[in-house]
Amino acid sequence: EIVLTQSPATLSLSPGERATLSCRASQSISRVLAWYQQKPGQAPRLLIYDASTRASGIPARFSGSGSGTDFTLTISSLEPEDFAVYYCQQRTNWPPWTFGQGTKVEIK
Amino acid sequence: QVQLVESGGGVVQPGGSLRLSCEATGLAFSDSGLHWVRQAPGKGLEWVSFIRYDGAKQYYIDSVRGRFTISRDNSKNTVFLEMNSLRIEDTAVYFCASRSSVSTNGLGFWGNGTLVTVSS
Repeated sequence: EIVLTQSPATLSLSPGERATLSCRASQSISRVLAWYQQKPGQAPRLLIYDASTRASGIPARFSGSGSGTDFTLTISSLEPEDFAVYYCQQRTNWPPWTFGQGTKVEIK
Repeated sequence: QVQLVESGGGVVQPGGSLRLSCEATGLAFSDSGLHWVRQAPGKGLEWVSFIRYDGAKQYYIDSVRGRFTISRDNSKNTVFLEMNSLRIEDTAVYFCASRSSVSTNGLGFWGNGTLVTVSS
Protein backbone atom coordinates (compact mmCIF):
# COMPACT_ATOMS: atom_id res chain seq x y z
CA GLU A 1 0.00 0.00 0.00
CA ILE A 2 1.26 3.43 -0.92
CA VAL A 3 1.44 5.81 2.05
CA LEU A 4 1.09 9.56 1.56
CA THR A 5 2.64 11.82 4.18
CA GLN A 6 1.58 15.46 4.26
CA SER A 7 3.45 18.29 5.90
CA PRO A 8 3.10 20.39 7.85
CA ALA A 9 0.13 19.19 9.85
CA THR A 10 -0.93 22.79 10.42
CA LEU A 11 0.00 25.94 8.56
CA SER A 12 -0.77 29.27 10.25
CA LEU A 13 -0.86 32.11 7.75
CA SER A 14 -2.55 35.44 7.14
CA PRO A 15 -4.81 36.33 4.21
CA GLY A 16 -2.72 37.40 1.24
CA GLU A 17 0.19 35.16 2.17
CA ARG A 18 1.46 32.26 0.08
CA ALA A 19 0.74 28.71 1.27
CA THR A 20 2.97 25.79 0.35
CA LEU A 21 1.73 22.30 1.24
CA SER A 22 3.74 19.13 0.77
CA CYS A 23 2.74 15.55 0.03
CA ARG A 24 5.29 12.75 -0.10
CA ALA A 25 4.56 9.25 -1.40
CA SER A 26 6.20 6.11 -0.02
CA GLN A 27 7.01 5.02 -3.57
CA SER A 28 6.85 6.61 -6.99
CA ILE A 29 3.34 7.41 -8.20
CA SER A 30 4.37 9.22 -11.38
CA ARG A 31 1.94 12.17 -11.53
CA VAL A 32 -1.15 10.31 -10.38
CA LEU A 33 -1.98 12.63 -7.51
CA ALA A 34 -4.99 14.74 -6.65
CA TRP A 35 -5.56 17.48 -4.08
CA TYR A 36 -8.82 18.19 -2.25
CA GLN A 37 -10.06 20.98 -0.01
CA GLN A 38 -12.46 20.28 2.83
CA LYS A 39 -14.25 22.76 5.05
CA PRO A 40 -15.98 21.78 8.31
CA GLY A 41 -19.24 19.93 7.75
CA GLN A 42 -18.74 19.77 4.01
CA ALA A 43 -17.71 17.16 1.49
CA PRO A 44 -14.25 17.39 -0.03
CA ARG A 45 -13.82 19.46 -3.18
CA LEU A 46 -11.46 18.41 -5.95
CA LEU A 47 -8.85 21.09 -6.64
CA ILE A 48 -6.07 19.47 -8.67
CA TYR A 49 -5.64 16.16 -10.49
CA ASP A 50 -2.76 14.58 -12.38
CA ALA A 51 -0.50 16.57 -10.03
CA SER A 52 -0.96 19.91 -11.76
CA THR A 53 -4.28 20.13 -13.64
CA ARG A 54 -6.83 22.40 -12.03
CA ALA A 55 -10.33 20.96 -11.81
CA SER A 56 -13.22 22.81 -13.36
CA GLY A 57 -13.99 26.11 -11.65
CA ILE A 58 -10.89 26.16 -9.43
CA PRO A 59 -9.24 29.58 -9.20
CA ALA A 60 -5.81 30.11 -10.72
CA ARG A 61 -4.29 30.90 -7.31
CA PHE A 62 -4.28 27.14 -6.70
CA SER A 63 -1.45 25.28 -8.41
CA GLY A 64 0.07 21.84 -8.09
CA SER A 65 3.48 20.51 -8.98
CA GLY A 66 5.68 17.49 -8.57
CA SER A 67 6.14 13.95 -9.79
CA GLY A 68 7.45 10.66 -8.51
CA THR A 69 7.33 10.91 -4.73
CA ASP A 70 7.27 14.64 -3.96
CA PHE A 71 4.34 16.93 -4.62
CA THR A 72 3.36 20.47 -3.70
CA LEU A 73 0.11 22.39 -3.57
CA THR A 74 0.61 26.14 -3.66
CA ILE A 75 -1.98 28.79 -2.92
CA SER A 76 -0.40 31.97 -4.25
CA SER A 77 -2.33 34.45 -2.12
CA LEU A 78 -4.69 33.18 0.55
CA GLU A 79 -8.28 34.33 0.40
CA PRO A 80 -10.49 34.09 3.51
CA GLU A 81 -12.38 31.16 1.99
CA ASP A 82 -9.16 29.15 1.54
CA PHE A 83 -8.73 28.40 5.24
CA ALA A 84 -9.58 24.71 5.34
CA VAL A 85 -8.04 21.24 5.44
CA TYR A 86 -6.26 19.96 2.34
CA TYR A 87 -5.74 16.31 1.41
CA CYS A 88 -3.63 14.66 -1.24
CA GLN A 89 -4.76 11.34 -2.76
CA GLN A 90 -3.23 8.74 -5.05
CA ARG A 91 -4.66 5.96 -7.18
CA THR A 92 -1.58 4.17 -8.47
CA ASN A 93 -1.46 0.42 -7.86
CA TRP A 94 -4.92 0.50 -6.36
CA PRO A 95 -6.77 -0.71 -4.43
CA PRO A 96 -6.62 0.99 -2.15
CA TRP A 97 -6.80 4.59 -3.19
CA THR A 98 -5.05 6.38 -0.33
CA PHE A 99 -5.26 9.83 1.15
CA GLY A 100 -2.71 11.79 3.10
CA GLN A 101 -3.57 12.69 6.68
CA GLY A 102 -4.31 16.30 5.77
CA THR A 103 -2.85 19.76 6.29
CA LYS A 104 -4.93 22.36 8.08
CA VAL A 105 -4.46 25.90 6.83
CA GLU A 106 -5.54 28.19 9.64
CA ILE A 107 -5.71 31.93 10.09
CA LYS A 108 -2.74 33.33 11.97
CA GLN B 1 -26.26 19.59 -12.22
CA VAL B 2 -24.96 16.44 -10.61
CA GLN B 3 -26.22 15.46 -7.19
CA LEU B 4 -25.25 12.48 -5.08
CA VAL B 5 -27.48 11.90 -2.08
CA GLU B 6 -26.56 9.35 0.57
CA SER B 7 -29.00 7.82 3.01
CA GLY B 8 -29.30 4.91 5.41
CA GLY B 9 -26.94 5.98 8.16
CA GLY B 10 -27.83 5.68 11.82
CA VAL B 11 -26.88 4.22 15.16
CA VAL B 12 -26.18 0.49 15.35
CA GLN B 13 -24.67 -1.82 17.94
CA PRO B 14 -21.36 -3.59 17.36
CA GLY B 15 -21.97 -6.65 15.22
CA GLY B 16 -25.00 -5.09 13.61
CA SER B 17 -25.76 -4.23 10.00
CA LEU B 18 -26.70 -1.21 7.93
CA ARG B 19 -27.34 -0.60 4.26
CA LEU B 20 -26.31 2.72 2.81
CA SER B 21 -27.68 4.07 -0.45
CA CYS B 22 -26.43 6.78 -2.78
CA GLU B 23 -28.80 8.06 -5.44
CA ALA B 24 -27.40 10.06 -8.34
CA THR B 25 -29.10 12.63 -10.51
CA GLY B 26 -27.64 14.48 -13.47
CA LEU B 27 -24.83 11.92 -13.78
CA ALA B 28 -24.21 9.49 -16.63
CA PHE B 29 -24.69 6.86 -13.95
CA SER B 30 -24.38 3.71 -16.01
CA ASP B 31 -21.05 4.98 -17.38
CA SER B 32 -19.63 5.96 -13.97
CA GLY B 33 -17.67 4.05 -11.39
CA LEU B 34 -18.74 4.91 -7.84
CA HIS B 35 -16.70 5.09 -4.66
CA TRP B 36 -17.46 5.12 -0.95
CA VAL B 37 -15.09 7.20 1.18
CA ARG B 38 -15.44 7.58 4.93
CA GLN B 39 -14.29 10.02 7.58
CA ALA B 40 -14.23 9.15 11.25
CA PRO B 41 -15.09 12.02 13.63
CA GLY B 42 -12.24 14.53 13.64
CA LYS B 43 -10.11 12.35 11.37
CA GLY B 44 -9.01 12.28 7.74
CA LEU B 45 -10.47 10.70 4.65
CA GLU B 46 -10.33 6.95 4.06
CA TRP B 47 -11.26 5.27 0.80
CA VAL B 48 -13.54 2.28 1.46
CA SER B 49 -14.80 0.70 -1.76
CA PHE B 50 -15.29 1.08 -5.51
CA ILE B 51 -17.66 -0.48 -8.02
CA ARG B 52 -17.14 -0.39 -11.76
CA TYR B 53 -19.69 1.27 -14.00
CA ASP B 54 -21.27 -2.07 -14.93
CA GLY B 55 -21.04 -3.62 -11.46
CA ALA B 56 -18.71 -6.35 -12.73
CA LYS B 57 -15.80 -5.42 -10.46
CA GLN B 58 -15.74 -4.38 -6.81
CA TYR B 59 -12.80 -3.35 -4.65
CA TYR B 60 -12.45 -2.86 -0.91
CA ILE B 61 -10.02 -1.65 1.67
CA ASP B 62 -8.64 -4.59 3.67
CA SER B 63 -10.36 -3.59 6.91
CA VAL B 64 -13.85 -4.01 5.43
CA ARG B 65 -13.33 -6.82 2.93
CA GLY B 66 -15.64 -9.72 3.80
CA ARG B 67 -17.89 -7.49 5.91
CA PHE B 68 -18.99 -4.80 3.43
CA THR B 69 -20.53 -5.35 0.00
CA ILE B 70 -20.86 -2.69 -2.67
CA SER B 71 -23.49 -3.07 -5.36
CA ARG B 72 -25.44 -0.91 -7.77
CA ASP B 73 -28.75 -0.72 -9.59
CA ASN B 74 -28.25 1.21 -12.80
CA SER B 75 -31.99 1.26 -13.46
CA LYS B 76 -32.40 3.31 -10.26
CA ASN B 77 -29.16 5.33 -10.49
CA THR B 78 -28.28 4.05 -7.04
CA VAL B 79 -25.22 2.49 -5.44
CA PHE B 80 -25.39 0.59 -2.16
CA LEU B 81 -23.02 -0.32 0.64
CA GLU B 82 -24.18 -3.26 2.70
CA MET B 83 -22.29 -3.20 6.01
CA ASN B 84 -22.30 -6.25 8.25
CA SER B 85 -20.45 -7.18 11.43
CA LEU B 86 -20.01 -3.51 12.18
CA ARG B 87 -17.26 -2.45 14.54
CA ILE B 88 -16.84 0.67 16.65
CA GLU B 89 -14.03 1.74 14.32
CA ASP B 90 -16.49 1.83 11.40
CA THR B 91 -18.08 4.92 12.96
CA ALA B 92 -17.76 7.66 10.35
CA VAL B 93 -19.48 9.86 7.83
CA TYR B 94 -19.75 7.86 4.63
CA PHE B 95 -19.53 9.76 1.35
CA CYS B 96 -20.22 8.45 -2.12
CA ALA B 97 -18.18 10.01 -4.89
CA SER B 98 -17.43 9.75 -8.56
CA ARG B 99 -15.16 11.20 -11.19
CA SER B 100 -16.62 14.23 -12.94
CA SER B 101 -15.51 13.00 -16.36
CA VAL B 102 -13.51 10.20 -17.95
CA SER B 103 -10.57 12.57 -18.32
CA THR B 104 -10.67 13.89 -14.74
CA ASN B 105 -8.49 11.66 -12.60
CA GLY B 106 -9.94 12.66 -9.29
CA LEU B 107 -13.26 12.57 -7.46
CA GLY B 108 -15.09 15.62 -8.71
CA PHE B 109 -18.56 14.76 -7.47
CA TRP B 110 -19.38 14.06 -3.82
CA GLY B 111 -22.50 13.60 -1.77
CA ASN B 112 -22.95 15.31 1.58
CA GLY B 113 -22.44 12.09 3.47
CA THR B 114 -24.42 9.96 5.90
CA LEU B 115 -23.32 9.33 9.48
CA VAL B 116 -22.89 5.80 10.76
CA THR B 117 -22.43 5.42 14.51
CA VAL B 118 -21.50 2.03 15.91
CA SER B 119 -21.98 2.07 19.65
CA SER B 120 -23.27 -0.12 22.44
